[in-house]
Amino acid sequence: DIQMTQSPSTLSASVGDRVTITCRASQNINIWLAWYQQKAGKAPKLLIYTASTLDSGVPSRFTGSGSETDFTLTISSLQPDDYATYYCQQYNSFPYTFGQGTKLDIK
Amino acid sequence: QVQLVQSGAEVRQPGASVKVSCKASGHTFTSYDINWVRQATGQGLEWMGWMNPKNGDTVYAQKLQDRVTFTRDTSISTAYMELRSLRPEDTAIYYCARGWTMTGSCSSTSCYNWFDPWGQGTLVTVSS
Repeated sequence: DIQMTQSPSTLSASVGDRVTITCRASQNINIWLAWYQQKAGKAPKLLIYTASTLDSGVPSRFTGSGSETDFTLTISSLQPDDYATYYCQQYNSFPYTFGQGTKLDIK
Repeated sequence: QVQLVQSGAEVRQPGASVKVSCKASGHTFTSYDINWVRQATGQGLEWMGWMNPKNGDTVYAQKLQDRVTFTRDTSISTAYMELRSLRPEDTAIYYCARGWTMTGSCSSTSCYNWFDPWGQGTLVTVSS
C-alpha cells in the first residue's frame, strides 16, 4: 500500500498568514493526488485534484503543487473560514490512501 | 444539484450486520463510481472500497474484504454498503462519495478517482 505522510499534524496560524501543508507519498503517484477540507461534524469537501487543479468554487487563495512523491497545499492568506482539518489522498493505485490529516487552528 | 443522501444512524451489537444506503440525485447514477470511506471518532479517513454502479464491479480494502459487500439498485439510483460481523472498532461515520476521473477508464491498479461530492455520513455504533 502507498503510505501518505502529512506534515505538520497540527498548525497554528493567524488570519492573513501564508500557510503550507506538505504531503509525501511512499512511492511515485504521478499527479494523482487530491486535497480535502473537513470541518467539525461535516463531510470532507474537495479542494484540489490532479495535484494542482482547483475544484469549482474553491477560492483562489488555495494552491496545490507537486508531483511524484512530494506535494504541497498552500493557503496564501488565511481566512477565518479556513480553520479546519486538511487531508491529502492518493488515487494512483488501489487501495486509495489518505494522509493522517493536518489540523489548522487559530493562533 | 448533485447530491448523495445517506441513511440514518444505526446501533448494532457486536457480531451483527449493518447496511447503509447512499441515494444519488442530480446526475446519472451509472456514469460515476462510488467509493466508501469511514472515519472513527477523532480519527482520520479510511478508504473502504470502490464500486462501478454500471456493472457492479467492486474493489475492497484488504482488511475489510471478508466482511464488506457493496451493491446497488440502479432503478432507484442507490448504492449500499453492508458490513458483517461487526466489532466495536467498526464504530465510525461511514461516507459514500462519488468518484471522478480524468482518465475515463480504469487500469489494472486504479480507476483514478477523486471524491466529490460526499454524502453527509452515517454514524454506525457497535456496542453491547
